[in-house]
Amino acid sequence: AQSVTQLGSHVSVSEGALVLLRCNYSSSVPPYLFWYVQYPNQGLQLLLKYTTGATLVKGINGFEAEFKKSETSFHLTKPSAHMSDAAEYFCAVREGNYGNNRLAFGKGNQVVVIP
Amino acid sequence: GAGVSQSPRYKVAKRGQDVALRCDPISGHVSLFWYQQALGQGPEFLTYFQNEAQLDKSGLPSDRFFAERPEGSVSTLKIQRTQQEDSAVYLCASTSQARGAEAFFGQGTRLTVV
Repeated sequence: AQSVTQLGSHVSVSEGALVLLRCNYSSSVPPYLFWYVQYPNQGLQLLLKYTTGATLVKGINGFEAEFKKSETSFHLTKPSAHMSDAAEYFCAVREGNYGNNRLAFGKGNQVVVIP
Repeated sequence: GAGVSQSPRYKVAKRGQDVALRCDPISGHVSLFWYQQALGQGPEFLTYFQNEAQLDKSGLPSDRFFAERPEGSVSTLKIQRTQQEDSAVYLCASTSQARGAEAFFGQGTRLTVV
């Protein structure tokens, strides 16, 4: 079974500083990896995904993530935090087979942006 | 529709009551998923439909949980004899069948069992 580890449930970052959220996964097959963002009382919105090809993936709102197979990691970064980045972030790995795109999620990181 | 729609947004149920949660996926999306998100946790998979066929229900926590999608579009998650541990946000997502396809999530139904 696939699984995802996100350390540090709460992450505080100063406005304008680097945002770094770590994600490590385990997968018995080539992984499809995702980062989702969840704002209060909202569903999850896709930030970016890696399936195949280029290992550095760019997403919405200035976020990017790099797939590193040797480290089984897919860390999320943003060079300069904005107040609007305050939200919860989830890393996920596809764990289904064939047409089943079910996802296994990490526990999430609650990001607080300090003015 | 433009997005995945879930109703009700909030539901308070007395312990032992039955509840039904509705999901209206994006039109044309073959695949539909239900997830349960406990407070402070990531979503956890419950069940998967391809059209009207329930192909994976390995995540349903007990036989009190039942899901259906009779016409391959709208889905209903039913919880019988609700317990306090059922309190969570229930998220519905739909996708195309392409491998690695993005899952589009609804806003969820927050169920509180009192």
